[in-house]
Amino acid sequence: GAVVSQHPSRVICKSGTSVKIECRSLDFQATTMFWYRQFPKQSLMLMATSNEGSKATYEQGVEKDKFLINHASLTLSTLTVTSAHPEDSSFYICSARPSTANQPQHFGDGTRLSIL
Amino acid sequence: SQKIEQNSEALNIQEGKTATLTCNYTNYSPAYLQWYRQDPGRGPVFLLLIRENEKEKRKERLKVTFDTTLKQSLFHITASQPADSATYLCASHRGSNQFYFGTGTSLTVIP
Repeated sequence: GAVVSQHPSRVICKSGTSVKIECRSLDFQATTMFWYRQFPKQSLMLMATSNEGSKATYEQGVEKDKFLINHASLTLSTLTVTSAHPEDSSFYICSARPSTANQPQHFGDGTRLSIL
Repeated sequence: SQKIEQNSEALNIQEGKTATLTCNYTNYSPAYLQWYRQDPGRGPVFLLLIRENEKEKRKERLKVTFDTTLKQSLFHITASQPADSATYLCASHRGSNQFYFGTGTSLTVIP
């Protein structure tokens, strides 16, 4: 089945550090990838939609200068949390959808980000 | 605004019984619905997709229904096992990038 790899799985770093998270579709091409944030016992909150070769579309309330997204190829999107602070600590999950129509999203295993 | 709801936060059932989870949507018509399983600290895993013109879809012990009149999808796990314990998410989709996720139902199968 479709596989999405997300790396790293866990990051612990000091406040002010920028953190980059990678999301790769391993066996299919994805013109669109999605970035979510999930708080404990809550559902996925869409942060932004990443489109290959163009700018990401951010959801309302998500700072695009804080969460930089780059979708440089059909198999790779990156999310960079710039100058991270403790309130940015969360579980970040990416997903990718195959380019063919009416396909489900396939998710990475998430990145647990802890800012000290 | 568009909304998708899973009407119970937690469901406990005895091993061997059928678990039934509910997903309701309001204010729009999804082209299809998806069900995912999520274990703690992991990303969701895709289980089943059902389109608006399909009444029912099956995969091994899983069954999903889609009732556009009731605006509801039901997700069934037959002959449930303790290994089925997880959170199950319903997601709807319409248009190229309009996805909405429910808050999930935590299922516990008691041996």
